[in-house]
Amino acid sequence: SQTIHQWPATLVQPVGSPLSLECTVEGTSNPNLYWYRQAAGRGLQLLFYSVGIGQISSEVPQNLSASRPQDRQFILSSKKLLLSDSGFYLCASRDRDDTQYFGPGTRLTVL
Amino acid sequence: AQSVAQPEDQVNVAEGNPLTVKCTYSVSGNPYLFWYVQYPNRGLQFLLKYITGDNLVKGSYGFEAEFNKSQTSFHLKKPSALVSDSALYFCAVRDRPGGYQKVTFGTGTKLQVIP
Repeated sequence: SQTIHQWPATLVQPVGSPLSLECTVEGTSNPNLYWYRQAAGRGLQLLFYSVGIGQISSEVPQNLSASRPQDRQFILSSKKLLLSDSGFYLCASRDRDDTQYFGPGTRLTVL
Repeated sequence: AQSVAQPEDQVNVAEGNPLTVKCTYSVSGNPYLFWYVQYPNRGLQFLLKYITGDNLVKGSYGFEAEFNKSQTSFHLKKPSALVSDSALYFCAVRDRPGGYQKVTFGTGTKLQVIP
């Protein structure tokens, strides 16, 4: 099965600062990759998904962006963070069997 | 469009009793259905899935789920609950091939197993 790595595990950033969250995948090739945000420990909001290198689809217009520079690397970025960007960010990989494998998550607090 | 509903925000059950966490779905074709579990401050873990075949699917940690096409449901069940089963449970659906590349998740049901 796949292993999803995310870092950092926790992050506290001031409003207006930039953001870079990284996700890497082991144990598969050419996966579909996803960024989700989970607010208040409940529902998942799909932010971006990627079906291949350089191919990004945005689900929610906002001040976040995503990039996929390598097959198993997915990056979530922002130029200027907002208070509303606080949350638990999860990276996931979908394999050919349609199961999604999730990383451990990054807890982002914007102050 | 595909959607999934988890009608219960929280389910409380006594340890040793059977548990059920409900899920209903809506898709235009035939569904792929999933259950995931999330422990506090952790990522989601895959429990089980229905793709095709037997309507009763067995998964990790003694959990099982029954696909009911006529009721468009995929309820998660376990014969005897453990305190360690206390967590947040998510149902998810994806339309069959030709549909979206994304999976739609429910809003989650918090399961509390009382000792």
